[in-house]
Amino acid sequence: DAGITQSPRHKVTETGTPVTLRCHQTENHRYMYWYRQDPGHGLRLIHYSYGVKDTDKGEVSDGYSVSRSKTEDFLLTLESATSSQTSVYFCAISDSGRRASATGYEQYFGPGTRLTVT
Amino acid sequence: GQQVMQIPQYQHVQEGEDFTTYCNSSTTLSNIQWYKQRPGGHPVFLIQLVKSGEVKKQKRLTFQFGEAKKNSSLHITATQTTDVGTYFCAGGNDYKLSFGAGTTVTVRA
Repeated sequence: DAGITQSPRHKVTETGTPVTLRCHQTENHRYMYWYRQDPGHGLRLIHYSYGVKDTDKGEVSDGYSVSRSKTEDFLLTLESATSSQTSVYFCAISDSGRRASATGYEQYFGPGTRLTVT
Repeated sequence: GQQVMQIPQYQHVQEGEDFTTYCNSSTTLSNIQWYKQRPGGHPVFLIQLVKSGEVKKQKRLTFQFGEAKKNSSLHITATQTTDVGTYFCAGGNDYKLSFGAGTTVTVRA
């Protein structure tokens, strides 16, 4: 498995509190992603990054912000958590330098963070 | 935006039987990727298809990309208990992917 860690792995928080999830990689991959996984919805892209300080929105970005100040770290922040943000959050990385696929853009996922907002 | 749909959502299979899961896109894809997620785990990359009509095999798994590059399938022969999990297809353009909702496979021994 690629060197990707997520912290915390589990978190319970109250509605209205801010929450920050961290993704750390040791692979020096250019692209980093945050997904949420909910039953029946698969993996939905929240935000992604294509370089340090370069980020863009995914399909479910409302209520979330991200930052990437270093290649290895990608932070996801819920400014004011709501119960609808209870989910499992996965970080992923990719880079054209990998050769497991034809284009090299296969994604490698972290272990996930289970977030519960009460 | 791009949407990727997978059917069926659930597949209950008798051990030893074959099954197929299908993936359809609303737009033409430059490539399609398949991932497997074991229960309690994270998605793991299986394979990528890039050419129209491409077929690739990994042991008992056969992956196919449609001629119009808008659909794909995963066929598993002689299902084993190790095949349990959720299989996702993901279509995209280089570094950005749209994932289907997945097919969750359970196996009856």
